[in-house]
Amino acid sequence: QQQVKQSPQSLIVQKGGISIINCAYENTAFDYFPWYQQFPGKGPALLIAIRPDVSEKKEGRFTISFNKSAKQFSLHIMDSQPGDSATYFCAARKGGNNRKLIWGLGTSLAVNP
Amino acid sequence: DTEVTQTPKHLVMGMTNKKSLKCEQHMGHRAMYWYKQKAKKPPELMFVYSYEKLSINESVPSRFSPECPNSSLLNLHLHALQPEDSALYLCASSQVARSSYNEQFFGPGTRLTVL
Repeated sequence: QQQVKQSPQSLIVQKGGISIINCAYENTAFDYFPWYQQFPGKGPALLIAIRPDVSEKKEGRFTISFNKSAKQFSLHIMDSQPGDSATYFCAARKGGNNRKLIWGLGTSLAVNP
Repeated sequence: DTEVTQTPKHLVMGMTNKKSLKCEQHMGHRAMYWYKQKAKKPPELMFVYSYEKLSINESVPSRFSPECPNSSLLNLHLHALQPEDSALYLCASSQVARSSYNEQFFGPGTRLTVL
């Protein structure tokens, strides 16, 4: 059972467009929701993260929107660039000492020039 | 220094070989992790060390043996692996303070091929 469901599996966007990746979760004990970006042959890198007491967080061209009642969160990449082409993973983690991240299955983003 | 380093970058080994993967961080993090990642899949947690003690073992086969010699180093000893163990092995580290996000910082990984 996938605890964090991510969609779409793949996404093609034109340069300058908006890329939107969605994630949904069931466990209300999750209290930390990071997004990771991974380029081929590299380890994942933390892109942006949010806690459920905030509905939106923006860092540069990257924004997380969080809907606690719907148990959904999404990543928006504004003005998408070819250099943003990568795999994006959403994740979630329970509070407390448990440091285990529950990962979505990933979205492969291709930004066409 | 905000980097997690891993060696080697690539490793090819036979099923009877013994090899080790190494990971190092100098961010003062007291939690360190091993993950396994197959192509087009998310990382799968294998082990977590907290304050140099093994705190999580995700039912990993005994042919994988982790070791944390000190707070900056993490090893993964490999023995009698199977071809299906071929994957990208990622190391990560994080703080352990309950008040922080405890973001996990990942290394570049070791690409392991078992023949």
